[in-house]
Amino acid sequence: AQKVTQAQTEISVVEKEDVTLDCVYETRDTTYYLFWYKQPPSGELVFLIRRNSFDEQNEISGRYSWNFQKSTSSFNFTITASQVVDSAVYFCALIPINAGGTSYGKLTFGQGTILTVHP
Amino acid sequence: DAMVIQNPRYQVTQFGKPVTLSCSQTLNHNVMYWYQQKSSQAPKLLFHYYDKDFNNEADTPDNFQSRRPNTSFCFLDIRSPGLGDAAMYLCATRGQGTTEAFFGQGTRLTVV
Repeated sequence: AQKVTQAQTEISVVEKEDVTLDCVYETRDTTYYLFWYKQPPSGELVFLIRRNSFDEQNEISGRYSWNFQKSTSSFNFTITASQVVDSAVYFCALIPINAGGTSYGKLTFGQGTILTVHP
Repeated sequence: DAMVIQNPRYQVTQFGKPVTLSCSQTLNHNVMYWYQQKSSQAPKLLFHYYDKDFNNEADTPDNFQSRRPNTSFCFLDIRSPGLGDAAMYLCATRGQGTTEAFFGQGTRLTVV
């Protein structure tokens, strides 16, 4: 079984501030994928990033960056120079990978972090 | 263009009256999921299909059923909706050998 914990229920920042969303996970699987999804008020879950447990290289995409540390089972997400359009609920999620390298089982979500960016 | 389409976006049903939510996909993905998301909570997996193989989560109530007549369509049937079933219902798909799940916009179900 796996568990994903997002300790921050809500974060409120002012536009242009940097903000980090924390994610900590537990799994008995040795290989897995980690994800971040954004859920705007319209409701759909929008895929942001996938990280393979083998790959601890951090990634930057525009104003978004991700810090994966397997030693602490964390996969944190930072938004630099936040904007009002970043306001949404953000979910961290995990899915295990089998020996063949394909995912199996279910995608387990954290509880979500509500991010509000004020103008 | 939307790749996972859920209809309707908003559904109001009466307590105890059967209701069906639909999901269609243009991705030809073989895996389809149904999630229930209550207010301020994480999405909770109800069941999923791997091709035609149906996989029910152990804690999914019998009140929830699903049908997948073909690759493109999947339905969620709630036989006797209760007030506690009011939620956002999310459909998602995933292609074989891939990891990313694509979500629809969800159907927000209200039970009156």
